[in-house]
Amino acid sequence: DGGITQSPKYLFRKEGQNVTLSCEQNLNHDAMYWYRQDPGQGLRLIYYSQIVNDFQKGDIAEGYSVSREKKESFPLTVTSAQKNPTAFYLCASRPPGQTNEKLFFGSGTQLSVL
Amino acid sequence: AQSVSQHNHHVILSEAASLELGCNYSYGGTVNLFWYVQYPGQHLQLLLKYFSGDPLVKGIKGFEAEFIKSKFSFNLRKPSVQWSDTAEYFCAVTSGGYNKLIFGAGTRLAVHP
Repeated sequence: DGGITQSPKYLFRKEGQNVTLSCEQNLNHDAMYWYRQDPGQGLRLIYYSQIVNDFQKGDIAEGYSVSREKKESFPLTVTSAQKNPTAFYLCASRPPGQTNEKLFFGSGTQLSVL
Repeated sequence: AQSVSQHNHHVILSEAASLELGCNYSYGGTVNLFWYVQYPGQHLQLLLKYFSGDPLVKGIKGFEAEFIKSKFSFNLRKPSVQWSDTAEYFCAVTSGGYNKLIFGAGTRLAVHP
């Protein structure tokens, strides 16, 4: 089945540790996004990528890094510089085209700090 | 900068009550507007969207939303809610290059039988 797969579902990070969240899609979508969901704040855009080898910072990119070496994959690294990493992270992708038809969301990764 | 405001963070209704969730955005140009819903334990899914044309759009499950350009609003409505509508609702907007979808803070709706 086509879709977006995020892994792991739950992730724990120790202080000062970098962790990487995986996002893979087999929908042949060019654009991919990472959002962070906090209670009472909705979804906030961390990074997005329109094509392979290109990505742009979203509204809260500090403390995060991404790569887009393959069309199917858009991993997010939460670095030790991110002081408040506990949140629910959602990856999304968008079908090709000029307008923003519905985004396809993954099932999310809950990151917690030990 | 673009932003989306949802006025109610928590709404509690009884079944059969009418629902209206407010959404205002700040952007003066052409926008695309969306409402997403997240049921407990499930993915976000699209409820309805507005790109152009009739400002009253119909979505799934009896929801509708009205785009009022002069008020920068896109309020979500349902005449009669059901217990199964209990979920979190997010308003979102894109503009310009359509590459960034900006979400509101969300409204948690609880419907009591």
